[in-house]
Amino acid sequence: GENVEQHPSTLSVQEGDSAVIKCTYSDSASNYFPWYKQELGKGPQLIIDIRSNVGEKKDQRIAVTLNKTAKHFSLHITETQPEDSAVYFCAASMNSGGSNYKLTFGKGTLLTVNP
Amino acid sequence: SAVISQKPSRDICQRGTSLTIQCQVDSQVTMMFWYRQQPGQSLTLIATANQGSEATYESGFVIDKFPISRPNLTFSTLTVSNMSPEDSSIYLCSVEVGTGLHTFGSGTRLTVV
Repeated sequence: GENVEQHPSTLSVQEGDSAVIKCTYSDSASNYFPWYKQELGKGPQLIIDIRSNVGEKKDQRIAVTLNKTAKHFSLHITETQPEDSAVYFCAASMNSGGSNYKLTFGKGTLLTVNP
Repeated sequence: SAVISQKPSRDICQRGTSLTIQCQVDSQVTMMFWYRQQPGQSLTLIATANQGSEATYESGFVIDKFPISRPNLTFSTLTVSNMSPEDSSIYLCSVEVGTGLHTFGSGTRLTVV
């Protein structure tokens, strides 16, 4: 099955700096790569995603890049703010039959933005 | 996107007992998913629930321990049976609202004592 590796496990930055989180996946059939943000006591919330036919996607301060050849994808957060502090999860997904996409998650990155 | 209500939000249970977690969606969905998130860990898929059929369990999870019901297209339950302290986790339901796009509930924080 799919295996997703995520690094780093913890990341501390100063407010205004950029943060980068990297993930690799093992199954070349994976074709959908979402990123989730989980705040304490809450469920994961989708912040950005990318499909395998696209190399980069940006939404305001957040961007995701995908390198299909190398099987890795990254989350970039610019101009970080204290409210960006949370655990971030990457995931990889493929169609596992019919319309069902099953997600495999990385282990998560605890991002701390220091004021 | 769909809004998911999950109950209870948290509970403390005695070992050997069972807890049923409810997941209600505000729109009809084909697939519902149940995840476990152990303390400080990632999300692990327990099973996929399709309305009108038996749930499909992932490796390491069995129906006797985690029975699932899916009576209609907006509702599902997960029961954690014969609990032990090792079952202390956050349990999350999610639904697929678009091609690969999953929305999660806020989770049930379970502590077994």
